[in-house]
Amino acid sequence: GAVVSQHPSWVICKSGTSVKIECRSLDFQATTMFWYRQFPKQSLMLMATSNEGSKATYEQGVEKDKFLINHASLTLSTLTVTSAHPEDSSFYICSARDLGGSEKLFFGSGTQLSVL
Amino acid sequence: GQSLEQPSEVTAVEGAIVQINCTYQTSGFYGLSWYQQHDGGAPTFLSYNALDGLEETGRFSSFLSRSDSYGYLLLQELQMKDSASYFCAVNSGGYQKVTFGTGTKLQVIP
Repeated sequence: GAVVSQHPSWVICKSGTSVKIECRSLDFQATTMFWYRQFPKQSLMLMATSNEGSKATYEQGVEKDKFLINHASLTLSTLTVTSAHPEDSSFYICSARDLGGSEKLFFGSGTQLSVL
Repeated sequence: GQSLEQPSEVTAVEGAIVQINCTYQTSGFYGLSWYQQHDGGAPTFLSYNALDGLEETGRFSSFLSRSDSYGYLLLQELQMKDSASYFCAVNSGGYQKVTFGTGTKLQVIP
């Protein structure tokens, strides 16, 4: 089955620093990847849609300068949390859709970010 | 905007049948998906409905009524391992973005 690899699985950083999270589709090509944020015992909140070779489409209320998304190839998308603050602490999870256009999303294992 | 509503919690007995409902409001609707997420894990795909009607996959079935903006997930022969959170999600818009519902925590008891 399709595998999405997300790294790191957890990260602790100081307030004001930037953190980069990688999302890779290992055995398929993904034109579209999605980035979500999830608080404990809550739903997945869509942050942005990442399309290979073009700018990401951010959901309302998500600061694009705060959460930089790059989708440079058909197998890699990155999310950079810039100048992180404690309120950015959360579980971030990416997902990818196969180039074939399947409605099915494959998810990475998520990244738990803790900002001190 | 978009909204998807689900019951927050459901408890059912092992071996029984449970139905989890989902009502949604969205524009540019393509279809309704269902995902399962165990605590601490990543969501996994269960089913997708683009057209009205029932889709069956093993013990799980999913239903969609586009005119009512309503769908449900039906889990039969419940097993303890089915205890998890279940999310409906709409595929919508030009890139078919996937927006998740509020989630339903299912607890299966002996």
